[in-house]
Amino acid sequence: DAMVIQNPRYQVTQFGKPVTLSCSQTLNHNVMYWYQQKSSQAPKLLFHYYDKDFNNEADTPDNFQSRRPNTSFCFLDIRSPGLGDAAMYLCATSRDPGVSKNIQYFGAGTRLSVL
Amino acid sequence: DQQVKQNSPSLSVQEGRISILNCDYTNSMFDYFLWYKKYPAEGPTFLISISSIKDKNEDGRFTVFLNKSAKHLSLHIVPSQPGDSAVYFCAATTTNFGNEKLTFGTGTRLTIIP
Repeated sequence: DAMVIQNPRYQVTQFGKPVTLSCSQTLNHNVMYWYQQKSSQAPKLLFHYYDKDFNNEADTPDNFQSRRPNTSFCFLDIRSPGLGDAAMYLCATSRDPGVSKNIQYFGAGTRLSVL
Repeated sequence: DQQVKQNSPSLSVQEGRISILNCDYTNSMFDYFLWYKKYPAEGPTFLISISSIKDKNEDGRFTVFLNKSAKHLSLHIVPSQPGDSAVYFCAATTTNFGNEKLTFGTGTRLTIIP
């Protein structure tokens, strides 16, 4: 089945130790998104790629970076994780919004713990 | 500033009855609205949507109603089934060219009581 796959499902890192979360998709969608979701809060968009064009949200900390080497893969790099970065990280994809009405397809998420 | 609000964090409904989940928004530029359903340990999955040119959209047991003047939408599930127990997120967007973003609410946890 076509899907959005996130690895790992659970990630534990140490305070200040760089960590990379990965997302892959078999849907061949143009757009890939990274969200941060903390307990009882709405998913918060960090950034997204429209094909190779990177779009950063204004309030996304510089500590968060992203790479999209090809259509299928997208990575979230946290350069120096702090305790406040512990959260669920969700990857999503969508087709061209003009076609898809922004319907997004989500992976199962990576739960990040920072010790 | 939360532009999409789900004021009920949780809701319990008897199996077979109607579940009504509510959502309010503040941004008058939003013209397309979506509901997502999330089970534990899974990502949100798209459930149903509605365009601002409509006031109702129905898909099987699920109906979404939109009241633009009140900036309010609701999701009705009839009849409710145990498998409907999940967290439901309301989301909104503007469909102008070049916008790929959704704004989500904080979710409502629905529990269906057998």
